[in-house]
Amino acid sequence: QSVLTQPPSASGTPGQRVTISCSGSYYNIETNPVNWYLQFPGTAPKLLIYSNSQRPSGVPDRFSGSKSGASASLAISGLLSEDEADYYCATWDDSLTGWVFGGGTKLTVL
Amino acid sequence: QVQLQESGPGLVKPSDTLSLTCAVSGYSINNNNWWGWIRQPPGKGLEWIGYIYYTASTYYSPSLKSRVTMSVDTSKNQFSLKLSSVTAVDTAVYYCARKDEQDYNAFDIWGQGTMVTVSS
Repeated sequence: QSVLTQPPSASGTPGQRVTISCSGSYYNIETNPVNWYLQFPGTAPKLLIYSNSQRPSGVPDRFSGSKSGASASLAISGLLSEDEADYYCATWDDSLTGWVFGGGTKLTVL
Repeated sequence: QVQLQESGPGLVKPSDTLSLTCAVSGYSINNNNWWGWIRQPPGKGLEWIGYIYYTASTYYSPSLKSRVTMSVDTSKNQFSLKLSSVTAVDTAVYYCARKDEQDYNAFDIWGQGTMVTVSS
């Protein structure tokens, strides 16, 4: 059972906009910045969004992040088949004194 | 460019100690970064194990703290993980990663990961 809750799956058709949610608590998401990672099968995670809504250089602006209270969201617009991957949210938890990850969301492009 | 590479046995017997090393290239481990370990059991999500600073300060996951030891070797530009008393639930891909403190406050560079199986 992950400290951060994500839907196990999400899907969309090419060109659509999809959102992936990440729910936590006061001690993690509400108090600390959220990062998002994307992971293709058999490869290491890659940083996609940091500090709730910032994109590292090289990440397309089709990817955006937001946070409100104890929840965060990742939005992907103009969905492409290459976006099919697993997505994880992560943040620091002040109560656990450690980093926590969501359980991951498998995005399928139909 | 900055690269991290994990190394260590791919098979560990139950009750033994898992030992992994992460070699850092293209970047000094003495810089202002935490150096971490994250694992991923087959078909499951990511779990933070802990991280270490070049001064040897550490933070460990509360759930693994009693079994985890991390160390750093600045002369070799590498850091290591030891996980004692392993069981089958410790079977996972183990990643080492750099936590950027300057720009991202996130794990921005990851190793390719190494699969460790706990089995007799």
